[in-house]
Amino acid sequence: QKEVEQDPGPLSVPEGAIVSLNCTYSNSAFQYFMWYRQYSRKGPELLMYTYSSGNKEDGRFTAQVDKSSKYISLFIRDSQPSDSATYLCAQTSYDKVIFGPGTSLSVIP
Amino acid sequence: DAGVIQSPRHEVTEMGQEVTLRCKPISGHNSLFWYRQTMMRGLELLIYFNNNVPIDDSGMPEDRFSAKMPNASFSTLKIQPSEPRDSAVYFCASTWGYRAGALYNEQFFGPGTRLTVL
Repeated sequence: QKEVEQDPGPLSVPEGAIVSLNCTYSNSAFQYFMWYRQYSRKGPELLMYTYSSGNKEDGRFTAQVDKSSKYISLFIRDSQPSDSATYLCAQTSYDKVIFGPGTSLSVIP
Repeated sequence: DAGVIQSPRHEVTEMGQEVTLRCKPISGHNSLFWYRQTMMRGLELLIYFNNNVPIDDSGMPEDRFSAKMPNASFSTLKIQPSEPRDSAVYFCASTWGYRAGALYNEQFFGPGTRLTVL
């Protein structure tokens, strides 16, 4: 069993839709959670970071962590074609990061 | 800052040949990571260094893989001999390393080296 699991997709939505991306994790020792965004043929870039259970909002993006069910979510409001990318959730213990396999998202104009 | 620099960007080689991938981390960063990404296995950590010292190489698939960091501004990942199953995108990433009071460490990735072994 992988430590961090995601549905790989691909997920295709129309422009303006609300997108929900989800992960589950198994190792509770890693207390910090991140979402990275990876455009085609580029390296991943940090999108959001969160620690505690609950929501964290940054513009059109909301990260949600439910530690009781070991569930991580990323919501994208008013999705744009520029959001088309692969989204990787991750756990971190400061130095080491465990990545999920990523979900491929396409936002169709 | 130019960010993390990797070379070459693309490498096509034949089975059995030696392959050397290179990475220059962001100046001032103390930790460096080598990852491999494939469709089947996603992003896998191969090895990471802190202050030029290998800390965790448990992800290195086998003895054919080796990594070095002779100084703070340069690292190499070598595959000898290469096999077709080594075909993947190899990423290097760097971070600040330990900083008092910091809760997490953002990893900054290079553009990757796309390796094809025929």
